Amino acid sequence: EVQLVQSGGGLVQPGGSLRLTCATSGFTFSHYALNWVRQAPGKGLEWVADISGGGRTFYSDSVKGRFIISRDNSNNTLYLQMNSLRAEDTAVYYCAKASVVAVAGSDFWGQGTLVTVSS
Amino acid sequence: EIVLTQSPGTLSLSPGDRATLSCRASQSVSTFLAWYQHKPGQAPRLLIYDASNRATDIPARFSGSGSGTDFTLTISSLEPEDFAVYYCQQRSNWRGTFGQGTKLEIK
Repeated sequence: EVQLVQSGGGLVQPGGSLRLTCATSGFTFSHYALNWVRQAPGKGLEWVADISGGGRTFYSDSVKGRFIISRDNSNNTLYLQMNSLRAEDTAVYYCAKASVVAVAGSDFWGQGTLVTVSS
Repeated sequence: EIVLTQSPGTLSLSPGDRATLSCRASQSVSTFLAWYQHKPGQAPRLLIYDASNRATDIPARFSGSGSGTDFTLTISSLEPEDFAVYYCQQRSNWRGTFGQGTKLEIK
């Protein structure tokens, strides 16, 4: 059974840092691209970052230079290091796994974790 | 940057009705488009991948069509559990842009 279990959210002050963790199981981790998606309060889904199976990274303009997506293929874990946090980064963050059969489509998702940036 | 525009913003229908949701891209995304269903407090659920392929365990009442810039998600006969927000997402380039969503509400 494929599982993605998130941890690491919480309250942080503006300018602070936080690291989100997505622990996975049930699939060959190193073979799949993974991504982070967020939803701010009252807003729609927003793509944040991708990391390929080989470690190539891609970021949205809104987080580029502040967030770092990484993966540990030995521990089947995905990370999102968030630095220089702003109030507009407040959102529920989801990790997701790319589908094996699709170019477009993430077939398994974490449960979501709330990040609140406030003083 | 590719922009996805979904219409309508809100769709008010009754169980048993047919729902037609639209997603238009600002430039061609070929067939690299997915549809998701999202309910409050839950993770998004993949419905359709690569424009027209139903994901695993998705009921046959959901179907996707289109290519290039115009895409449609059709729900042939609405069930009570289908009322949610629906998003399209393109993957023709490395940015996984989402549309702004269509809220499907009970009339």
